[in-house]
Amino acid sequence: ETGVTQSPTHLIKTRGQQVTLRCSSQSGHNTVSWYQQALGQGPQFIFQYYREEENGRGNFPPRFSGLQFPNYSSELNVNALELDDSALYLCASSSFPGLAGDPYEQYFGPGTRLTVT
Amino acid sequence: EDQVTQSPEALRLQEGESSSLNCSYTVSGLRGLFWYRQDPGKGPEFLFTLYSAGEEKEKERLKATLTKKESFLHITAPKPEDSATYLCAVQAPERVRFGAGTRLTVKP
Repeated sequence: ETGVTQSPTHLIKTRGQQVTLRCSSQSGHNTVSWYQQALGQGPQFIFQYYREEENGRGNFPPRFSGLQFPNYSSELNVNALELDDSALYLCASSSFPGLAGDPYEQYFGPGTRLTVT
Repeated sequence: EDQVTQSPEALRLQEGESSSLNCSYTVSGLRGLFWYRQDPGKGPEFLFTLYSAGEEKEKERLKATLTKKESFLHITAPKPEDSATYLCAVQAPERVRFGAGTRLTVKP
């Protein structure tokens, strides 16, 4: 069984630039969620993708956008980078929760450390 | 608005000294509560899912419990390798909220 992978591991960008982060979900999972984790804080939910569509979004501006591909891999795009965007970006995969209201377990990748200067 | 508060922020224990970590929450439409372990510079590692008040789950030296307003992670006779940040998260329809975590250090 292949776990969640993310690329790149580290990235340094300049304020105002754009960045794309990538995630491959764990085999058998069809749902991907993205999180931002600032130093010393818990992960903050950005959004979730299922069947290539956004299925829930946290309190993040529209310059944070995403994609999910038919193979369930995903991208996170951030435009007009700001200094406060410096953080660890985590991707988590899971099986779609369905409509029954059951909780679903998420498995995280190692993250991408983004530094904005 | 959903809120998740973990306490204490940091905890230092001697090896073998048992203790508990707390996660208190307010959320509408709770689907489940999760505990994760996170080592520095790595992604969170899944530990437990708790579905309903009164439920308990155990794994090695860890035991998680859930009430209607809080969850506890009990650590029995911890070892240095249990040192990590422990995160709890609540899940509701189309959203997940994490606490800030408890940083646990176990000294030999």
